Amino acid sequence: QQQVKQSPQSLIVQKGGISIINCAYENTAFDYFPWYQQFPGKGPALLIAIRPDVSEKKEGRFTISFNKSAKQFSLHIMDSQPGDSATYFCAATSNFGNEKLTFGTGTRLTIIP
Amino acid sequence: DGGITQSPKYLFRKEGQNVTLSCEQNLNHDAMYWYRQDPGQGLRLIYYSQIVNDFQKGDIAEGYSVSREKKESFPLTVTSAQKNPTAFYLCASSIVVPGHLISSEQFFGPGTRLTVL
Repeated sequence: QQQVKQSPQSLIVQKGGISIINCAYENTAFDYFPWYQQFPGKGPALLIAIRPDVSEKKEGRFTISFNKSAKQFSLHIMDSQPGDSATYFCAATSNFGNEKLTFGTGTRLTIIP
Repeated sequence: DGGITQSPKYLFRKEGQNVTLSCEQNLNHDAMYWYRQDPGQGLRLIYYSQIVNDFQKGDIAEGYSVSREKKESFPLTVTSAQKNPTAFYLCASSIVVPGHLISSEQFFGPGTRLTVL
């Protein structure tokens, strides 16, 4: 079964610090890697996504780093804020994003003052 | 105000009963999905539908059934055959890009938390 492995399961970061969440995949056919953010009691929402033709994508304080040879990608949250406290899911799909998504197991991020 | 609505927010079921979870969207999306979320297991796909009157099994379809009679609606029935139905259920939708199966960005509803007593 296609898998996306996500770590850590939970993460505590001080306000202003950098939060880093890592994902690894096995299927070399994957070609679209989104990150979803989920607040308690809510549905996930797309945060940022990357295709493997670039090694990095930045949107505001959120950056995806992508290492195609290692089959790994990570989410970096710069200047982490209490409002960033949420569960983050990485995901992967193939056919340029047109197949069903395979999700990681999630990381619960807590930003402390 | 476009979006996806799920009802009810909380649902309690006795063992042996079938229950139906509602999902409605007014985004004019062709594709709709049902996921199950359990602690530490991420989101697992139950069923998905790309077009009215057609749907496909996901990774964990056993014990569930769906229908897609209208573009806006994709109800999920949790049957008594589902051995461990207590979970958070999420419905999502996305556009379909012509010539491809399913689009990438999925829009999620607020979820239904089902508890079996």
